[in-house]
Amino acid sequence: AQSVTQLGSHVSVSEGALVLLRCNYSSSVPPYLFWYVQYPNQGLQLLLKYTSAATLVKGINGFEAEFKKSETSFHLTKPSAHMSDAAEYFCAVSAGGSQGNLIFGKGTKLSVKP
Amino acid sequence: DAGVIQSPRHEVTEMGQEVTLRCKPISGHNSLFWYRQTMMRGLELLIYFNNNVPIDDSGMPEDRFSAKMPNASFSTLKIQPSEPRDSAVYFCASSSPGLGVYGYTFGSGTRLTVV
Repeated sequence: AQSVTQLGSHVSVSEGALVLLRCNYSSSVPPYLFWYVQYPNQGLQLLLKYTSAATLVKGINGFEAEFKKSETSFHLTKPSAHMSDAAEYFCAVSAGGSQGNLIFGKGTKLSVKP
Repeated sequence: DAGVIQSPRHEVTEMGQEVTLRCKPISGHNSLFWYRQTMMRGLELLIYFNNNVPIDDSGMPEDRFSAKMPNASFSTLKIQPSEPRDSAVYFCASSSPGLGVYGYTFGSGTRLTVV
């Protein structure tokens, strides 16, 4: 079975500061990992995904995430926050293949202060 | 591709009325998911279909909720009768074969308000 834990339901950073959103996973098989972003009044959009290739994954809008098996983590980072990054971010895990449904975390709401 | 299309975008209805939410998945995607999102409970999976067949409906809250997928290009989620606690944003998502690898594409959601 798979599960994800997102540490911190709310994170606030200043514009230009580092963004770090934490995600830890549990999986009985090699996982596939995803980050989604949800802007206000919109659906979830895929930000990036890890599917057992490179452990450092680059996504849209300057975000990246690193898969660390030893720490069972897949934290999302961005070197410099922009006001437009304010949104809710969801981590998800899957067992992959045709039966691997995505299991979503509870989300982390990111606020960016001017 | 136009993406996953949901209608209506907003629905306001009175308690006791029937509500039908609609979803058109991306062409070629063979899995379809219905989610509900509220402040209190976050994102909840209600039901999902694979090749038009319901696979897991364990997330459907009660018998007032039903979902159908009569063909590969259309699905409905019906609530009858509706109650104020059903107020939420309902999302539809679809995925191609190998859904665990490619992830889901979400629609823009239907915001349901039951008064």
